[in-house]
Amino acid sequence: EAAVTQSPRNKVAVTGGKVTLSCNQTNNHNNMYWYRQDTGHGLRLIHYSYGAGSTEKGDIPDGYKASRPSQENFSLILELATPSQTSVYFCASGDRLGGDTQYFGPGTRLLVL
Amino acid sequence: GDSVTQTEGQVTVSESKSLIINCTYSTTSIAYPNLFWYVRYPGEGLQLLLKVITAGQKGSSRGFEATYNKETTSFHLQKASVQESDSAVYYCALVHTGGADRLTFGKGTQLIIQP
Repeated sequence: EAAVTQSPRNKVAVTGGKVTLSCNQTNNHNNMYWYRQDTGHGLRLIHYSYGAGSTEKGDIPDGYKASRPSQENFSLILELATPSQTSVYFCASGDRLGGDTQYFGPGTRLLVL
Repeated sequence: GDSVTQTEGQVTVSESKSLIINCTYSTTSIAYPNLFWYVRYPGEGLQLLLKVITAGQKGSSRGFEATYNKETTSFHLQKASVQESDSAVYYCALVHTGGADRLTFGKGTQLIIQP
């Protein structure tokens, strides 16, 4: 069974603070993704990665950085958090060998005050 | 670019009644995309419900069905008799096999089942 875990599951941050969301996958997938989900917008892609050391901008990368130090780990970094970044964040992994199916983590609920 | 449009907002269905959630897609690529339905149950992450990679084929899972119609560029999700456990948010999505392995999602449809 594919496994993607995220930490923390819930986070409260202050405006201007730094936030790091972590994701770990044990699927040995090459690709990893970060999305945010907001009511009325569905899932929007923030950053993604093709493998260790690579990061690519998605559709809404402004205000976010990403880091892929290893095949298993992919982090999303908010250097200066703002209230507009309050959302639910999902990490996913997948690759073409898996038929492009993406496997999602349980989500991180972030509140920026 | 690519886009996916699905029934927006909330859909309320009485238990044991039939369901249809509409999904249509638009793509600038000449290649046919792979089509997916994902589901998010309360408190959980998204999980794959079904996928179809060949135009004209039907996918099915847990009593749900969707047929890939390239003429109408549609991939509607149907179920003949819903149960309370089907209450969730459903997302239609597509990916191009020749592209950057990026899923394009619809905005999601919240399904509420009335007992």
